[in-house]
Amino acid sequence: DTAVSQTPKYLVTQMGNDKSIKCEQNLGHDTMYWYKQDSKKFLKIMFSYNNKELIINETVPNRFSPKSPDKAHLNLHINSLELGDSAVYFCASSPNGETQYFGPGTRLLVL
Amino acid sequence: GIQVEQSPPDLILQEGANSTLRCNFSDSVNNLQWFHQNPWGQLINLFYIPSGTKQNGRLSATTVATERYSLLYISSSQTTDSGVYFCAVQTSGSRLTFGEGTQLTVNP
Repeated sequence: DTAVSQTPKYLVTQMGNDKSIKCEQNLGHDTMYWYKQDSKKFLKIMFSYNNKELIINETVPNRFSPKSPDKAHLNLHINSLELGDSAVYFCASSPNGETQYFGPGTRLLVL
Repeated sequence: GIQVEQSPPDLILQEGANSTLRCNFSDSVNNLQWFHQNPWGQLINLFYIPSGTKQNGRLSATTVATERYSLLYISSSQTTDSGVYFCAVQTSGSRLTFGEGTQLTVNP
């Protein structure tokens, strides 16, 4: 009965590969987010969806593409992975744009 | 965009001590949250506190919106309080912006 779940938890891959990270929330929230946390632990928002519609799209490379098949899911697809994409990616959800609840994170390492 | 500054950047305490973490921000906000990231990386929401004071057990938080700062108080600290504490703020129509965090280490 995890509130916000992400798969996989760990992802090790080669440069140039394409990978996806999945996020699901069972809280009934309308808004979902993707954040990137770098090696210095700095957290920055990447995308936000409200009821399957994109509402925030920060200046991230086009290689990153979010997809929200329904209100409870927000997936992140990354094409042509680069070394600099290595980070922890967090999914979060919010009922009202206020309090945000985070998933456990996906640790991505690009070799 | 809005600037968020947290202090101190690092804090080492003995178990049982009290501490105060500070978050300064550069603009009016309609959303302020405190998070704890534990040593396993999990981000846990502690408080949603755009103004006023809240308490939850040994933790309490106060935001003085007119003076653009928030304080997080930890009393009788325990080793399980170790981790990074983040303040995050949001202005109307913008996205949540995180500070750089305070790394807290509580020694037994």
